[in-house]
Amino acid sequence: DVQLVESGGGLAQPGGSLRLSCTVSGFTFSSYSMVWVRQTPEKGLEWISYIGERSTTIYYADSVKGRFSISRDNAKNSLYLQMDSLRAEDTAVYYCVRDRPPAVAGHFFDLWGQGTMVTVSS
Amino acid sequence: DVVLTQSPLSLPVTLGQPASISCRSSQSLVYSDGNTYLIWFHQRPGQSPRRLIYKVSSRDSGVPDRFSGSGSGTDFTLRISRVEAEDVGVYYCMQDRHWPLTFGGGTRVEIK
Repeated sequence: DVQLVESGGGLAQPGGSLRLSCTVSGFTFSSYSMVWVRQTPEKGLEWISYIGERSTTIYYADSVKGRFSISRDNAKNSLYLQMDSLRAEDTAVYYCVRDRPPAVAGHFFDLWGQGTMVTVSS
Repeated sequence: DVVLTQSPLSLPVTLGQPASISCRSSQSLVYSDGNTYLIWFHQRPGQSPRRLIYKVSSRDSGVPDRFSGSGSGTDFTLRISRVEAEDVGVYYCMQDRHWPLTFGGGTRVEIK
């Protein structure tokens, strides 16, 4: 069975940090780029970060650039999101999503985790 | 950034009747390879989004054939030929042509 399981969400204070993890099974993790997407009732779905299959290509949305850091460990089939300098507007459900294999023009977004809730509040 | 505008915001439909959702892009989603990169997702209450259609009109495996996608350039449509109870939820379009990748605001489908 294909599974993407996020963990690490919870309550953080403004200015604080959290580290999200996503453990993957059921497909060859090292063959796909991965993304983090977050969702709020107010802003809907928002792509926030992308990492290539070998971590050589990384992109961030402007809303998190300089504060969040994406990484992966292919040996552990795991994706991470280090979130620093958290703000109230970072409160959201965070999804780990499978993107695409290399040399493919379009994006996949075909497999999603169940999401982990991050709440930033004092 | 590419802005995707979905309409309507809310769509009450009668079971068995058709439904249509529009997604308009602020920029062309055509790539140099000739393909157009637009994806449709469905999110049921309490669940993660599920991809239904990619590259405008390619239906995912397991997606009922009552779902179809069409459009070109900047104007796209998701159609449900006969709405069933399991089709309720929110539908989102997403463009995967330009960075940053962006989503439409969603269309909520409910049964009348």
